[in-house]
Amino acid sequence: DGGITQSPKYLFRKEGQNVTLSCEQNLNHDAMYWYRQDPGQGLRLIYYSQIVNDFQKGDIAEGYSVSREKKESFPLTVTSAQKNPTAFYLCASRVGPGYNEQFFGPGTRLTVL
Amino acid sequence: QQQVKQSPQSLIVQKGGIPIINCAYENTAFDYFPWYQQFPGKGPALLIAIRPDVSEKKEGRFTISFNKSAKQFSLHIMDSQPGDSATYFCAARVNYQLIWGAGTKLIIKP
Repeated sequence: DGGITQSPKYLFRKEGQNVTLSCEQNLNHDAMYWYRQDPGQGLRLIYYSQIVNDFQKGDIAEGYSVSREKKESFPLTVTSAQKNPTAFYLCASRVGPGYNEQFFGPGTRLTVL
Repeated sequence: QQQVKQSPQSLIVQKGGIPIINCAYENTAFDYFPWYQQFPGKGPALLIAIRPDVSEKKEGRFTISFNKSAKQFSLHIMDSQPGDSATYFCAARVNYQLIWGAGTKLIIKP
């Protein structure tokens, strides 16, 4: 069953703690993305990776970090430096150069208490 | 310049009606314009997309109209059904990044 999995679906953390959100894909896609979604707003790009061992900052990278050590995995760490981390986080992947569609995972809702 | 402005924010239409959602942009470097559909608690899914050299594209009940000179594009849903109730996002691509509109929450009343 191919697709993108994100875990956990719901995550609660205390203020000041770092937390890592998982994103795994078995689609053999080269590119992967992390977005943040807040109510009444469109998706905002946090980080993206076009290829293994390479990633670039998106529009709102401050307070977040990523790694891309394996093609199928692109974990996102929300650090204590992120001032307002409570949001819905979406991971997406794309086949690679020449392909347009981004495929999304089911999302992780992070609540910082 | 990088923004995509989407309207309306919310829309209620009777079953069988034709909801229309509009988007406008400024950046002429955008080269691909998708529409995504999102149900509550789920990730968005691609609905239909268009390139700027095409003025209209239809896929089933969904149509994109594209006006390059006005820098506007819109989504029309023919014969709308309650199952079409969702949030719809337009987007525009530049350098393999998508710039997203703020979304339109669509409710189709039975």
